[in-house]
Formats: sequence, C-alpha cells, structure tokens
Amino acid sequence: QQQVKQSPQSLIVQKGGISIINCAYENTAFDYFPWYQQFPGKGPALLIAIRPDVSEKKEGRFTISFNKSAKQFSLHIMDSQPGDSATYFCAASINTGGFKTIFGAGTRLFVKA
Amino acid sequence: DAGVTQSPTHLIKTRGQQVTLRCSPKSGHDTVSWYQQALGQGPQFIFQYYEEEERQRGNFPDRFSGHQFPNYSSELNVNALLLGDSALYLCASSWGAGLVEQFFGPGTRLTVL
Repeated sequence: QQQVKQSPQSLIVQKGGISIINCAYENTAFDYFPWYQQFPGKGPALLIAIRPDVSEKKEGRFTISFNKSAKQFSLHIMDSQPGDSATYFCAASINTGGFKTIFGAGTRLFVKA
Repeated sequence: DAGVTQSPTHLIKTRGQQVTLRCSPKSGHDTVSWYQQALGQGPQFIFQYYEEEERQRGNFPDRFSGHQFPNYSSELNVNALLLGDSALYLCASSWGAGLVEQFFGPGTRLTVL
C-alpha cells in the first residue's frame, strides 16, 4: 500500500521528441507528488511537484498530469534534449506528524542526438 | 548559499563494524531526512528528524539510528554492518515538518566488505 510503481524502466527518445514516464500509487493518503532527476554521482534534484487537488502542472518543458480517481500520475518532457539524459524518479509523500516520501524504482532516459 | 553537504564522500567498512554519516542541511532548513539508495534502485526512506526528534521512520531495523543537533545538522549511525548495507546514503533537508520541497545532498557511498 506504500508502494509507488513506475514505468518504463528505461526509455530512449529522439532529440526533440516527447518523453513520457508513468507512475501509480495505492495509498490515497499521499498528499504530495514530486518528480526528481538524478545524474550519475549526484543526489536527486526536484524537477516539479503536484498536489492531488490539481490535474496538471507545467513548468517549462516539464508537465505533470495527475489522475486522482485512477491513482496515476505522469511526467511529460517536451522537446527532449540530450542533456535530459538522466534517471527520473516519481515519488509520493504522506504527512503523519512528519512526512515520509516513497520513491518509484526510476526510469533511465536516454535522448539520442 | 551552501546546499546540503554530506561527509564523508566514500567509506569502506567490514561486516560487523559501525559507521556514522554526517549531514549539514541547506541554510534556513530545520528538517533532515535520510534515504538509502541501492545501485539501480530508488531511494528508500530511513527516517526524518525535526526539532531534534525522529518524526517518521521507514522499514529499517533498529541497527539504523540517528540524531539531530541543535544547529539542525544530523548523523546517521548504522551498527553491525551487513553486506546488504552497501549503498548510497542520501540526506535531504527541508523547512518545517510539512509536505514541502526537499533538497538532496550528493550522498555518501558506503561499501561493506
């Protein structure tokens, strides 16, 4: 019930294309859904986040789509660039007197030049 | 403005030993969370400290313990090390105990032989 399932495990996209990563969760008590980008040898960096009362959020080339009834959310990267090649993690946070964040297993994205 | 810093960068220990990892939060942050990231996996939540108390804990045994100091810095201690404890240990800081953006440090790579 605390899991966050992420797919695909890896993704290859042409430069200029759209990268789409999907996540699903079970626990309806999750109240904050961030996406992180991680480069090798670095810690994760927050890309964009959404709360469940919003169905879509866009920041630059990054968009989160959120479907509360289906308990699914996705990250769209428009006009994908080689510099976007990294591992992407979706996550879900729950607040019960302190917050706990559960991460998905990650998607390795490679953008071909 | 210094971000989240962690020390040491790398560490090699043998089974049964004990280890202490350190984290200094981003300036202005008072909450520290610790994560374990095995190779090729998403970060796993260990625990969160706020106001020098453990506020939330993930599914980790009591061999994993922590501490937060009055200046908000934090330590992660692992006793009786197992081979399976080999991982990247990440510290993340945030402000307050609510659902807000976390900033991650670069991590400490622990190898247990």
